[in-house]
Amino acid sequence: EAGVVQSPRYKIIEKKQPVAFWCNPISGHNTLYWYRQNLGQGPELLIRYENEEAVDDSQLPKDRFSAERLKGVDSTLKIQPAELGDSAVYLCASSGGAPYNEQFFGPGTRLTVL
Amino acid sequence: SQQGEEDPQALSIQEGENATMNCSYKTSINNLQWYRQNSGRGLVHLILIRSNEREKHSGRLRVTLDTSKKSSSLLITASRAADTASYFCATDAGSNYQLIWGAGTKLIIKP
Repeated sequence: EAGVVQSPRYKIIEKKQPVAFWCNPISGHNTLYWYRQNLGQGPELLIRYENEEAVDDSQLPKDRFSAERLKGVDSTLKIQPAELGDSAVYLCASSGGAPYNEQFFGPGTRLTVL
Repeated sequence: SQQGEEDPQALSIQEGENATMNCSYKTSINNLQWYRQNSGRGLVHLILIRSNEREKHSGRLRVTLDTSKKSSSLLITASRAADTASYFCATDAGSNYQLIWGAGTKLIIKP
């Protein structure tokens, strides 16, 4: 069974440039998460999808971040414009949902903003 | 916001020794999960313990949960070099299936 796929694995951009990350979850997983992880810290949830609906985006900085999951399968997270503080690893995870919410993670995208 | 706090922040032991990591949390939970993260494989789910369970085993892993103290421990027996990684606890505290993560324990196994 294929795991969660993310691309790109690494991205280096200048500040104020846009950037996009792509995620394809495990087949059949309706729940998809985007996390941000800073060095030495645990993952921080940015947004959670149930199928194509964003059901928890309270921690997504909406002035510059956007996400979509149009057909309820793969998803894209975008930052525009990027700031120096956005440098982090962006993780995508998927879950089969209730009742135990075990999450399966992709390898992440390491973003460096110069 | 991060609910779980792992202790210690870093742990270095000799190969073959046992490693114990602790996690404390603040609110009532449905379950608590432990994950491992290393540079090669990313974040991987290790074990889940439900709020009505007190102990769970999986191979060389043993997890305990004390809901009265709001704490959990992860024991890795007979450690190996491949166990070198960061270990995170994550709590499922509500009906929205959001996991709240700690900052992790960095474990180094010395050969």
